[in-house]
Amino acid sequence: DTGVSQDPRHKITKRGQNVTFRCDPISEHNRLYWYRQTLGQGPEFLTYFQNEAQLEKSRLLSDRFSAERPKGSFSTLEIQRTEQGDSAMYLCASSLAGVGYTFGSGTRLTVV
Amino acid sequence: AQSVTQLDSHVSVSEGTPVLLRCNYSSSYSPSLFWYVQHPNKGLQLLLKYTSAATLVKGINGFEAEFKKSETSFHLTKPSAHMSDAAEYFCVVSEGSGGYQKVTFGTGTKLQVIP
Repeated sequence: DTGVSQDPRHKITKRGQNVTFRCDPISEHNRLYWYRQTLGQGPEFLTYFQNEAQLEKSRLLSDRFSAERPKGSFSTLEIQRTEQGDSAMYLCASSLAGVGYTFGSGTRLTVV
Repeated sequence: AQSVTQLDSHVSVSEGTPVLLRCNYSSSYSPSLFWYVQHPNKGLQLLLKYTSAATLVKGINGFEAEFKKSETSFHLTKPSAHMSDAAEYFCVVSEGSGGYQKVTFGTGTKLQVIP
């Protein structure tokens, strides 16, 4: 499969716990994006990497959120001390030269 | 600043009839425009994209869209709806050159196809 892979597909966690999601982009894509999508809304931009460098962060990305892409390949998104408002679908996308984005199937987070 | 407005949050059509999903955008630069489809509990799939080439863009599954600069529109159409087209559709504008492309999603249009 040469698409964008996200793991896990679903995550249920208790409020206050930490969670980490993983995204494996298309191998030749140097750009990787994280988006958050809440019910009834379009995806909202969280952060962007070009290779291993995190070049842009949305104000939506509070101090509890951190994203890494240590070797310019896969990326992780960690949420610390989860809150119920963090419940959403977290989408990862990758692209080459910014023309068209390939999205993964997302990780659905439910904070109870 | 760029923005995207999807004029209808829900569209309902009968199977076999035409589909029209409307999108208007604003952009300070020459934008790239995309339509994505999202089936329930799935990721987003690219339907088609406009990147300053032909103004009529053909995509997958029989969809097409026409870029109209004078109307700042990029409406998505399909001549004949199929049951499998029932999904949510997002219009996306992207601007920037070379480096980071700022991407803005519309709020989505849910397409219902009635048998």
